[in-house]
Formats: sequence, structure tokens, C-alpha cells
Amino acid sequence: GESVGLHLPTLSVQEGDNSIINCAYSNSASDYFIWYKQESGKGPQFIIDIRSNMDKRQGQRVTVLLNKTVKHLSLQIAATQPGDSAVYFCAEWQSDTGNQFYFGTGTSLTVIP
Amino acid sequence: EPEVTQTPSHQVTQMGQEVILRCVPISNHLYFYWYRQILGQKVEFLVSFYNNEISEKSEIFDDQFSVERPDGSNFTLKIRSTKLEDSAMYFCASSALAGAKETQYFGPGTRLLVL
Repeated sequence: GESVGLHLPTLSVQEGDNSIINCAYSNSASDYFIWYKQESGKGPQFIIDIRSNMDKRQGQRVTVLLNKTVKHLSLQIAATQPGDSAVYFCAEWQSDTGNQFYFGTGTSLTVIP
Repeated sequence: EPEVTQTPSHQVTQMGQEVILRCVPISNHLYFYWYRQILGQKVEFLVSFYNNEISEKSEIFDDQFSVERPDGSNFTLKIRSTKLEDSAMYFCASSALAGAKETQYFGPGTRLLVL
């Protein structure tokens, strides 16, 4: 049968290594960004957010970097654990094209024990 | 920790039938949202709701869809005359206080299958 849907970028890392997941956003006017984690069969789970007046924000084991010049967002996960295996996607808040979040395609992270 | 809940977890319906998806947002939240995610695709915004009226809606949210907050706790999405392409995961989300840029917390989703 025909395959429908997007093929997600994938990232495989060894347990204990650091992971970097990237996201390119589309609207230079976007001023708020969120990283979500989505495990199979579950809803998106908030990880960390950042506003456009910041370049970097750190949470517990996670860091988000924002480069507005090239419209790029990254999520760094330190000491990756098997429980981090999931799809990660970024969401950008656009107020100039309707007040709503636009979600990225996502990256599938697999942590190898 | 408070969380958004959704019922049912799975819904199977015949094409042309109406379905109602239910959500209980986090109790002190004021903004409510519906999103959908077709299998293997991006999460897509449908509608936001505040103060008992729609704040924003996307192109997807046409006359086939409606939302309601029938009481102080439930938030529903009604899909009239379902089509095959309505098959997707439907997520409810809520956020606190004013300003839709506040962090949105998602429910576990309802998987809708239209046959």
C-alpha cells in the first residue's frame, strides 16, 4: 500500500552521551518557542521554552539555544537516558499570522542502552 | 500534579456520523485548545477558546467543527458528519492566565478512526 506521512529525522545516541536536536523555524517574527517531547501514544509534553529576547535557557539536563539570525533552535539533552527516547519537536508562536503555535515535524531520538 | 484528561481514549465511528470528544482542562487554566495530529504528521492547531468564545481558529476548523464548554470543567470538540480524513489523534490543551503564549499542557489525546 501507499505510505502516507512524513519520514522523521532520526537520532540514535548511546546512553550517557549528550544529544543535540535541531529545529529550523520559519517566521522571523516568532517570539516564543517551546520544545515538546512526545512518547508513543501520548500527548506532547512540555520540556522547556524560550522567548526571543534570550539566546539560551537551561533546565534540568536540558538546554535550549536560540539563534534568531538563522532562525534556528536547538535542544541539548545531557547524559541521555533510555527514558529520553521519544519524538522531539519545536513549536513557534506566531502572532502575525494568527495567534497560534506552529509545530515542527519532529526528530525521533533513540537511546541505546 | 494536575493534568489535562481526555475521553474517550479511542473512538471508532462510521463516516457521516457525529462525534464528541471530551476534555477536562487543568482546573485553574483559562485558555483551552484543540489540536489534531494525523498519523505520522505534524501537530496542527485547530482552535483556541477563552472566556466562552473562540479566540482563534485555523483553516482546518471549518463549519464541520464546533467547540463548547458546557459546564465549569468540560471542554468539548464536536465533529459533524465525519469524513475519512478526520481520522487522527485529537489533543486538548490548556494554559494558565492570560496570554496564549503561556505554556500549554496537553492531554493524552483521543484517537479517532473514521470508517
